Amino acid sequence: GAVVSQHPSWVICKSGTSVKIECRSLDFQATTMFWYRQFPKQSLMLMATSNEGSKATYEQGVEKDKFLINHASLTLSTLTVTSAHPEDSSFYICSAREGRNPDQYFGPGTRLTVL
Amino acid sequence: KQEVTQIPAALSVPEGENLVLNCSFTDSAIYNLQWFRQDPGKGLTSLLLIQSSQREQTSGRLNASLDKSSGRSTLYIAASQPGDSATYLCAVSRSWGKFQFGAGTQVVVTP
Repeated sequence: GAVVSQHPSWVICKSGTSVKIECRSLDFQATTMFWYRQFPKQSLMLMATSNEGSKATYEQGVEKDKFLINHASLTLSTLTVTSAHPEDSSFYICSAREGRNPDQYFGPGTRLTVL
Repeated sequence: KQEVTQIPAALSVPEGENLVLNCSFTDSAIYNLQWFRQDPGKGLTSLLLIQSSQREQTSGRLNASLDKSSGRSTLYIAASQPGDSATYLCAVSRSWGKFQFGAGTQVVVTP
């Protein structure tokens, strides 16, 4: 089946620094990618949707200047958490879909801890 | 605004018992509903996808039903095994590909 990878799988950073998380589709063309975050004991919340070559669409309440999303190719999307703070500590998961195919494939997630 | 609720929040059963997990949603105008499994600290594994026009889907020991008009879906897992221990998430999609997730049901199957 289709595989989505994320890198890194976990990262610890100091408050005020920026962190980049990569999401890659390994064997299909991810025309659309989605970014979610999950706080402990809570469910996944959609942050933004990105289509290859276009600007991301952010959900209400998500700061687009803080969470920079780039989807420059059909196999790679990146999420950059700028000036990270402890409250940004979370589990970030991406998912990807190819064209009009309804199947959506999720990455393994990235655990971000901001000290 | 769509709200997705999963009951119970946690469930513990002895091995061999059948599992029944419930999911309800407030807006019946959904595109599809999907059940996922999440192991601790891990990503999601898709279990079953039910299109809005379908009433149920089956895969092995898993069966999921969908009653769109009443805003409910049920996931049945037959003859549970310790390896079924995980958190099960229900998600509904209103528009293409955008999922609204429930908080999940944490399942423990004891040997």
